[in-house]
Amino acid sequence: KTQVEQSPQSLVVRQGENCVLQCNYSVTPDNHLRWFKQDTGKGLVSLTVLVHENDKTSNGRYSATLDKDAKHSTLHITATLLDDTATYICVVGDRGSALGRLHFGAGTQLIVIP
Amino acid sequence: EAAVTQSPRSKVAVTGGKVTLSCHQTNNHDYMYWYRQDTGHGLRLIHYSYVADSTEKGDIPDGYKASRPSQENFSLILELASLSQTAVYFCASSDSSDYTFGSGTRLLVI
Repeated sequence: KTQVEQSPQSLVVRQGENCVLQCNYSVTPDNHLRWFKQDTGKGLVSLTVLVHENDKTSNGRYSATLDKDAKHSTLHITATLLDDTATYICVVGDRGSALGRLHFGAGTQLIVIP
Repeated sequence: EAAVTQSPRSKVAVTGGKVTLSCHQTNNHDYMYWYRQDTGHGLRLIHYSYVADSTEKGDIPDGYKASRPSQENFSLILELASLSQTAVYFCASSDSSDYTFGSGTRLLVI
């Protein structure tokens, strides 16, 4: 059973608009959560890491929240650019070390149009 | 310069043939991983290693072998490639807080 569910599966927005990507998970324990950006045909690039209950992070136009009680995270992208077109992957780590397993969502495909 | 380099970038293999995917990292990370990515699914762990000359099975190891001859290098070996192994394969390295992924190897088995 998939332990990390992302929604929507795909999303089209116009350049300049904001968007919100959702991640729900059932991984236990949930030590940390990461958001990655994957450009087509490329590897995964880390956007942010959330560790604590009710964590909030900001990385330029990207901001993220984590609610460990609800096992839910959101990724907000503000004022989207064409270069934001990519797949965004939510990943939950079950330990705070490299010994832990990473549990990957299938990703949300974001398309930004002019 | 890319810290995790995979080769080849893409490959077409014949069913039953042997395939070796290579990964090289310059991060000085102890941990290295091989994942496969299938359309519509999250990455799944095949094999990993936390020290040279030692490998561990991940979640889907059947049909794959791994080799870690040095801290920098980690290979994935398909002794008898099958159609179901068509996928994109990602190598990654990590320490306790940072994960770095390669750009992937697109494998097509025909």
